[in-house]
Parts: sequence; structure tokens; C-alpha cells
Amino acid sequence: DADVTQTPRNRITKTGKRIMLECSQTKGHDRMYWYRQDPGLGLRLIYYSFDVKDINKGEISDGYSVSRQAQAKFSLSLESAIPNQTALYFCATSRGSHNEQFFGPGTRLTVL
Amino acid sequence: GENVEQHPSTLSVQEGDSAVIKCTYSDSASNYFPWYKQELGKRPQLIIDIRSNVGEKKDQRIAVTLNKTAKHFSLHITETQPEDSAVYFCAAFSGGGADGLTFGKGTHLIIQP
Repeated sequence: DADVTQTPRNRITKTGKRIMLECSQTKGHDRMYWYRQDPGLGLRLIYYSFDVKDINKGEISDGYSVSRQAQAKFSLSLESAIPNQTALYFCATSRGSHNEQFFGPGTRLTVL
Repeated sequence: GENVEQHPSTLSVQEGDSAVIKCTYSDSASNYFPWYKQELGKRPQLIIDIRSNVGEKKDQRIAVTLNKTAKHFSLHITETQPEDSAVYFCAAFSGGGADGLTFGKGTHLIIQP
């Protein structure tokens, strides 16, 4: 089945370290998104991409960067991790906008 | 940008009763309103969605209503079952803003046996 996958699934790191979270999809969707989930805060959009040449900031992009290496791959980087970036991170994809978004399984990141 | 408010944060109902979750949005340009269900430790999954040219949509025990004038939309679950226990998120997709969803903070639905 076509799916959205994320690696790693869990990561513990220290303050100041550079971290990369990866997302791959076999759905053939053009649009990819990174969200962050914190308890009681829902999901918040970090970055999104319409295609390889198009990257856009979301609601909470400060402290994060992204790379769309290919249609199927979208990576999220934390250049210098800090404890308040401890959260559950989800990648999502969709075909066009205003359509169902399919989420990956999530990456649980802990910054000590 | 868009702002989505969701109530209640926790809802406990007896099995077999109905559950209603309500959301309001701020951006009148928003035109797509999905609802996601997230079970413990799992990824969010779409359960139903509605577009701004429709006032109501139903899928078996689940229905969503949209009032564009008042800028609010609601999820209705009838004949609740234990497997309905989860966190439910409403979301709005602005027609003119960032091309991503703005989510409410979620409702933890508890089905009491």
C-alpha cells in the first residue's frame, strides 16, 4: 500500500545538536507538510512544499529548516536543538490543496 | 492568519449516546473543513470533511454541519461505541492564506461502557 513513512521514529538528543527528521512517501502526492504536535495544543504547521522548487513557511518555522530533495522526500532540520522543541513531529502529504492530508507515523523527539 | 477554536477539550458520554464537538474559525476565506481522529499512539486520520459550498455531510454514524455565516462547524457522532474513544481534531484550510491546515486543540472523547 502507498504510504507515508518517517525516520527515525524516536530520537533523544542534547541541546545544541543538529537533528534531521526524514519523510518519504509512495503516494505520488505533490504537496508535503511538516507539523508539530504538543499536548493540549493540537498540530501546528512548520513548513510546507508544493513541489521540489517550492518551500513555504508555516505558523511556527523559527528554529527549523526544510529540504525537498525529491518529489517523494521532505526533510526537517533543527540546526541547534533546544528543549522546547521536544514534541511529536508529523509529516503529511496531499494531492493538491483542500484535500485529505495523509499523515506519517510521527517522530517523537526529546531534546535534553 | 486563521484561528480555530475547539470545544470541549474533554467529552465523556455513555455508550450508545450521541457526541457533539464544536469548532469556530476566524478567516471567512476558509473553505475546507476536515475532521481527524487520533487514537492513542497513532497518526491522525481523516474521518469526514466538508467544503464551504455544502451545509451538511453525513457518513453512517458521523455527520458534520457548517454554518458559514456564524463561522462554525460541528462534528456529530451518533450511537457511540467504545472504538470511538480517541482525540478528535477539527481543522480549517484558508483559501487565501498558508496552504496548510490550521487545527483546533483537540477534544478527548471518552465513551463510558
